[in-house]
Amino acid sequence: TQLLEQSPQFLSIQEGENLTVYCNSSSVFSSLQWYRQEPGEGPVLLVTVVTGGEVKKLKRLTFQFGDARKDSSLHITAAQPGDTGLYLCAGGGSGGSNYKLTFGKGTLLTVNP
Amino acid sequence: NAGVMQNPRHLVRRRGQEARLRCSPMKGHSHVYWYRQLPEEGLKFMVYLQKENIIDESGMPKERFSAEFPKEGPSILRIQQVVRGDSAAYFCASEPGSGNTIYFGEGSWLTVV
Repeated sequence: TQLLEQSPQFLSIQEGENLTVYCNSSSVFSSLQWYRQEPGEGPVLLVTVVTGGEVKKLKRLTFQFGDARKDSSLHITAAQPGDTGLYLCAGGGSGGSNYKLTFGKGTLLTVNP
Repeated sequence: NAGVMQNPRHLVRRRGQEARLRCSPMKGHSHVYWYRQLPEEGLKFMVYLQKENIIDESGMPKERFSAEFPKEGPSILRIQQVVRGDSAAYFCASEPGSGNTIYFGEGSWLTVV
């Protein structure tokens, strides 16, 4: 069974602080997606990374895929209250099924004004 | 371009009743996926459908659950004789073809009382 472990599970910080959340697995994935989910809503895709060592930036968010394609991190610079939400990572392609995403349980981020 | 549309957004059923959840994929998308998010759990893959075909139902419970994606109309996830443990958020996702980015709907929250 493939597992994606996300840490920390909960994170509460003040506006303006930086933070990093992690997504780790013992399995290799062909791609890794990061989503943000707000209460009562569906996950919204933030980024997809596919190459080991790849780094992608989306404004204040920086995503990195580990060299071995088993782990990933999301770094947020100068967090804002609007960044509050559940951040999910999802791995695709392990075992040949790119559509059968394996999701972590998420990191619930709260940014206090 | 409307996103993935799910209805109902919220559904309450008594134990033993049937629940039907509908999903209209994004325009031009022929691949539909259903995922389930149980309380305190990550999203779990249930089934992958194309028009009139079930491609992969390896994540579906063996009994009481069925899914279809007819030639015309929305995809339907049907749960017969619901039990309390079926209470969850059910998410539909779609993509134009295998290997592309999948887009999630806003979910249908089923509560079994």
